[in-house]
Amino acid sequence: DTAVSQTPKYLVTQMGNDKSIKCEQNLGHDTMYWYKQDSKKFLKIMFSYNNKELIINETVPNRFSPKSPDKAHLNLHINSLELGDSAVYFCASSQVGNRGGASSTDTQYFGPGTRLTVL
Amino acid sequence: AQTVTQSQPEMSVQEAETVTLSCTYDTSENNYYLFWYKQPPSRQMILVIRQEAYKQQNATENRFSVNFQKAAKSFSLKISDSQLGDTAMYFCAFITPNAGKSTFGDGTTLTVKP
Repeated sequence: DTAVSQTPKYLVTQMGNDKSIKCEQNLGHDTMYWYKQDSKKFLKIMFSYNNKELIINETVPNRFSPKSPDKAHLNLHINSLELGDSAVYFCASSQVGNRGGASSTDTQYFGPGTRLTVL
Repeated sequence: AQTVTQSQPEMSVQEAETVTLSCTYDTSENNYYLFWYKQPPSRQMILVIRQEAYKQQNATENRFSVNFQKAAKSFSLKISDSQLGDTAMYFCAFITPNAGKSTFGDGTTLTVKP
């Protein structure tokens, strides 16, 4: 009954490869996110996405692209991997809402993270 | 742009005592949410507490409570009766509604000592 799941949990790959990380949520949320947590544990948002809009953090290289086959999935594709891409990547989801809405709206629930190591 | 500042990279507290983690933020938004997340060594990000900016009453969740000072843009987390399981990294987060903007602080590593 995992709410937000990611696969794989660990990913080790060579520089220059292309890889994907999958994310699925069974909470019925309408918005999903990808975050990067670097070696210093700093957590930065990369993307937020719902069926209407993709919001990209302008600092994210265009080698990173989110792909959403449906509302419950948001996969992260990374092309031409670089050493600096090594990090833990977290997926999250939320149900957006208006002020005064349910207490859980706009609360982000996180997946377990994927540790990516680029050699 | 929003900024979230956690000025205490590391803190420690004796088991059963009370500790307060500080968080300040800067924004021009009027409607937003503030959160504290906990990341134990398992690396799972766990929601601790949430505060709506339009609510004056401070949020509480069992041993966890916040001191929300909107005018001062301050959002501190108080942990009462600290337990060993509270040892973790704590992140303060600022999120605008409708998946607008999401900013996390750099985290505070809390160690609860027996």
